[in-house]
Amino acid sequence: DTAVSQTPKYLVTQMGNDKSIKCEQNLGHDTMYWYKQDSKKFLKIMFSYNNKELIINETVPNRFSPKSPDKAHLNLHINSLELGDSAVYFCASRGGSEAFFGQGTRLTVV
Amino acid sequence: AQTVTQSQPEMSVQEAETVTLSCTYDTSESDYYLFWYKQPPSRQMILVIRQEAYKQQNATENRFSVNFQKAAKSFSLKISDSQLGDAAMYFCAYLVEEGGSEKLVFGKGTKLTVNP
Repeated sequence: DTAVSQTPKYLVTQMGNDKSIKCEQNLGHDTMYWYKQDSKKFLKIMFSYNNKELIINETVPNRFSPKSPDKAHLNLHINSLELGDSAVYFCASRGGSEAFFGQGTRLTVV
Repeated sequence: AQTVTQSQPEMSVQEAETVTLSCTYDTSESDYYLFWYKQPPSRQMILVIRQEAYKQQNATENRFSVNFQKAAKSFSLKISDSQLGDAAMYFCAYLVEEGGSEKLVFGKGTKLTVNP
């Protein structure tokens, strides 16, 4: 069983489109995150949720909207995609001090 | 600002040799957690080792060990008997509290090459 699973793994789309990335964790954790890894491999937090509530929003454009229907799911919806949104997006969940990451979604905007 | 600095963008090591990856961090907290994550080409983020700041003993996981110097805010990773499968990006990170929640702050990573 995969602890944190993201879909899709790869996403290629045109500028201006709207897309969603889904994330599910089966670890029973209360805290989930979205991280963005840019082309230089730098990992930066975007959002943090605790038990379905938004806790951290790291100055992300409002074209990015996370949604947590329940504490096991944290989806990321992106409107009006731009070339600069191309990156790898990681979902993670945390219980105690340890964070578990999904396999990442490589988003390419053309 | 809370930051993590990895001063070595790239490192290389011969198979079976030992290599040390450097990491320094900045925090005003007295209790926190530090981590090393490995990211192979598959891009999966894999936790290598974890250190609790209040523990003086350095963490060890098989061939991986850390040198934790709390006063110097230094947290280096030593890989002994390097294997080809150790080739990856390595990220140093620490868990920091902010706004009632906690988040992982990452360094920029060190790309490790293992030469046969």
